[in-house]
Amino acid sequence: QSVLTQPPSASGTPGQRVTVSCSGSSPNIESNYVYWYQQLPGTAPKPLIYRNNQRPSGVPDRFSGSKSGTSASLAISGLRSEDEADYYCATWDDSLSGVVFGGGTKLTVL
Amino acid sequence: EVQLVESGGGLVQPGGSLRLSCSASGFIFSSYAMHWVRQAPGKGLEYVSAISSNGGSTYYADSLKGRFTISRDNSKNTVYLQMSGLRAEDTAVYYCVKGYYGSGSYYHDAFDIWGQGTMVTVSS
Repeated sequence: QSVLTQPPSASGTPGQRVTVSCSGSSPNIESNYVYWYQQLPGTAPKPLIYRNNQRPSGVPDRFSGSKSGTSASLAISGLRSEDEADYYCATWDDSLSGVVFGGGTKLTVL
Repeated sequence: EVQLVESGGGLVQPGGSLRLSCSASGFIFSSYAMHWVRQAPGKGLEYVSAISSNGGSTYYADSLKGRFTISRDNSKNTVYLQMSGLRAEDTAVYYCVKGYYGSGSYYHDAFDIWGQGTMVTVSS
């Protein structure tokens, strides 16, 4: 059971906008930055969003992040087939004094 | 180019030991906290362990305490994860990850560059 809650799956057609939610609580999401990681099939995860809504260089602006209270969201606009991947949210948890992950959301591009 | 290369994974019997190594290049290794994250087959990511830049502070997931030991050798740009008392549930790909902020502390750090991972299989 993950500390952060994500939907196990999401889907969309090319060009659509999809969102992935990440729900937590006061010691984690509400009090700390949220990060998102993308894991393409058969590869290691890579950073997608830092500090709630900042994109590392090289990440298309089709990807955006937001946070409100104890929840965060990742939005992907103009969906493309290469976006098909697993997406994980993560944040620091002040109670556990460590990083906690969501269970991951498998995005399928139909 | 920043690069992390893990090694040391393999098949080990329950109760056995294994030492993972992660060789880093392309950045000032001694300035960054380093982390280990694992992923069981078909499962999500799990935060395993972390070490501050000077090795003075360490973190372990509660489920691992007493069995795993993280260490680093800044002269060799290498971080290690010594695993003992291995159980079937430790079977996973273990990723070495460079900290993001470069403050030296693993507290409130995030994950920047990930290695390709090394597979650990615990089975008789």
